[in-house]
Amino acid sequence: QMQLVQSGAEVKKPEASVKVSCKPSGYTSIDYYMHWVRQAPGQGLEWMAWINPNTGATDYAQKFQGRVTVTRDTSITTFSMELSNLRSDDTAVYYCARGAVAAARPNWHFDLWGRGTLVTVS
Amino acid sequence: DIVMTQSPDSLAVSLGERATIDCKSSQSVLFSSNNRDYLAWYQQKPGQPPKLLFYWASMRESGVPDRFSGSGSGTDFRLTISSLQAEDVAVYYCQQYYRSPFTFGPGTRVEIK
Repeated sequence: QMQLVQSGAEVKKPEASVKVSCKPSGYTSIDYYMHWVRQAPGQGLEWMAWINPNTGATDYAQKFQGRVTVTRDTSITTFSMELSNLRSDDTAVYYCARGAVAAARPNWHFDLWGRGTLVTVS
Repeated sequence: DIVMTQSPDSLAVSLGERATIDCKSSQSVLFSSNNRDYLAWYQQKPGQPPKLLFYWASMRESGVPDRFSGSGSGTDFRLTISSLQAEDVAVYYCQQYYRSPFTFGPGTRVEIK
């Protein structure tokens, strides 16, 4: 069964950094883009970034440029999203979501989602 | 950025009745070279991650009941639930993946009347 297993909830102080991990299982993780999407409490979905695990290429929403970094480990078994200089309005659930096959362009729907990681900044 | 809007913000429908949600993009998400609309619909129930319902605007994801349908092209799209069931209570989002950033609509909350 395919799934994305995310790390546990975090509580951080303002100006700190947080790193959320996402571990795919049930499919070959190098084969698909990974996206990061966040959702503030009671709010909608906000796309943040993607990474191509095959090439290491990344793309970030301009809103988060300079504060967010998405990576994959060298064995490409785990993806991570690090957000720095946290503010109270970064309090949100952060999701990883699977996108296109890595050999293609990233323009694809998200067919598999993690259960989310709550990051509280306080 | 491509701005996605949805209407209504929320709607209450009686069980067994039709629910219709509209989604509009600020520019066309139809890619002419393959004639595909880069538009997806997701359903999110409380405490759960989003679930993919439709991609390419009208392609139903495996396992999605056929009372759900997706339609539209270019800039105007629609999600229809032909006969609302109790388990359909959720927030529904459209998303364009035509161009980065892959923006979502603000969501439409569907409730039982």
